[in-house]
Amino acid sequence: GDSVTQMEGPVTLSEEAFLTINCTYTATGYPSLFWYVQYPGEGLQLLLKATKADDKGSNKGFEATYRKETTSFHLEKGSVQVSDSAVYFCALSVRGNTGKLIFGQGTTLQVKP
Amino acid sequence: DTGVSQDPRHKITKRGQNVTFRCDPISEHNRLYWYRQTLGQGPEFLTYFQNEAQLEKSRLLSDRFSAERPKGSFSTLEIQRTEQGDSAMYLCASSADGTRLHEQYFGPGTRLTVT
Repeated sequence: GDSVTQMEGPVTLSEEAFLTINCTYTATGYPSLFWYVQYPGEGLQLLLKATKADDKGSNKGFEATYRKETTSFHLEKGSVQVSDSAVYFCALSVRGNTGKLIFGQGTTLQVKP
Repeated sequence: DTGVSQDPRHKITKRGQNVTFRCDPISEHNRLYWYRQTLGQGPEFLTYFQNEAQLEKSRLLSDRFSAERPKGSFSTLEIQRTEQGDSAMYLCASSADGTRLHEQYFGPGTRLTVT
């Protein structure tokens, strides 16, 4: 069945460091891909999305490119801030019209000043 | 609009008791989803509604679980005869239809602890 695998955390970085969080997926057909973020004490929020191969999603300095050939959707940011500390979830949409999302296990990012 | 709200935020119950959670979606969203999240894992899909119709249920949703969305507005998730394995965070999300149906807005969740 469809699945998402993320790199294990926690990831600890110093402020202004470069961030990569790896995400790979297995899916039937051509899913849309998403990154959601959960800040402490808050609900999940959509960070960015890509709906087809080679699309790049971007938001708040974060980017991820839909790579069909490697079934990956790695999240990157050039310079992280303390305020980026959160749990990041990679997700894919199941084929069809249900809206159902399948999430990875989440990666905790801690940014130190 | 204040976003998706869930009530209660925390619930502690004894094994065998029934519990009910409520979700109020964003008012113009006609899709509503329930997910369950256990510690260290991502959310897992339970069920979803389009307006008042419940269109899909996960195999995770045993017959002790029931969800409703009367009049296509708020939704309730009831768990009967709770078990310790039901302890988790229960998340509600809503979305619009069409091309934005995967852009789901999540509530803060209800944390259930079964003792």
